[in-house]
Amino acid sequence: DMKVTQMPRYLIKRMGENVLLECGQDMSHETMYWYRQDPGLGLQLIYISYDVDSNSEGDIPKGYRVSRKKREHFSLILDSAKTNQTSVYFCASSLSPAANTEVFFGKGTRLTVV
Amino acid sequence: GEQVEQRPPHLSVREGDSAVITCTYTDPNSYYFFWYKQEPGASLQLLMKVFSSTEINEGQGFTVLLNKKDKRLSLNLTAAHPGDSAAYFCAVSAGFASALTFGSGTKVIPCLP
Repeated sequence: DMKVTQMPRYLIKRMGENVLLECGQDMSHETMYWYRQDPGLGLQLIYISYDVDSNSEGDIPKGYRVSRKKREHFSLILDSAKTNQTSVYFCASSLSPAANTEVFFGKGTRLTVV
Repeated sequence: GEQVEQRPPHLSVREGDSAVITCTYTDPNSYYFFWYKQEPGASLQLLMKVFSSTEINEGQGFTVLLNKKDKRLSLNLTAAHPGDSAAYFCAVSAGFASALTFGSGTKVIPCLP
């Protein structure tokens, strides 16, 4: 069963706290992504990972960092969360970075920073 | 970088009627085009991918048209039904190692005829 799993699904944090969002995939995909989704803005790319320890900034990396120590896991870290990081975060994976390969999305993590 | 504009943001369509969602993009080197469907509270599911210029692809209950000359991608929902209630996103990519750039989404709400 091919899937991308995100934990937790819902999270409430106080401003200034550290946040860890976890993502796993069971398809041995090389490429993984973190997006955030805000109303009226679609999905915006935060980071892309081409394999273990091979990560690149996306369009909105500021305030975020990532970690990929195993091919099947990709973590998004917010050091000292801010209220404007309240959003729904989607992890995704694809077999390769080639743009014509299908991207599989997780169910999202709704993060609220108060 | 690539910019994708999607219209309209909301769409009420009577059951049985058709509706069109349109995306325009800026990068003439864009080569891969996708439509995703997101039902409430769920993740994005790939609806269709389009690679060739001026291509019409038909799926179950919808057609997709790509016009590379005008840099326009459209999704036509034919005979809307309650199962079409979702947000629809177009996505564009310029090529290898180029991640998807998404449109801002269209929320489709079928209503009673």
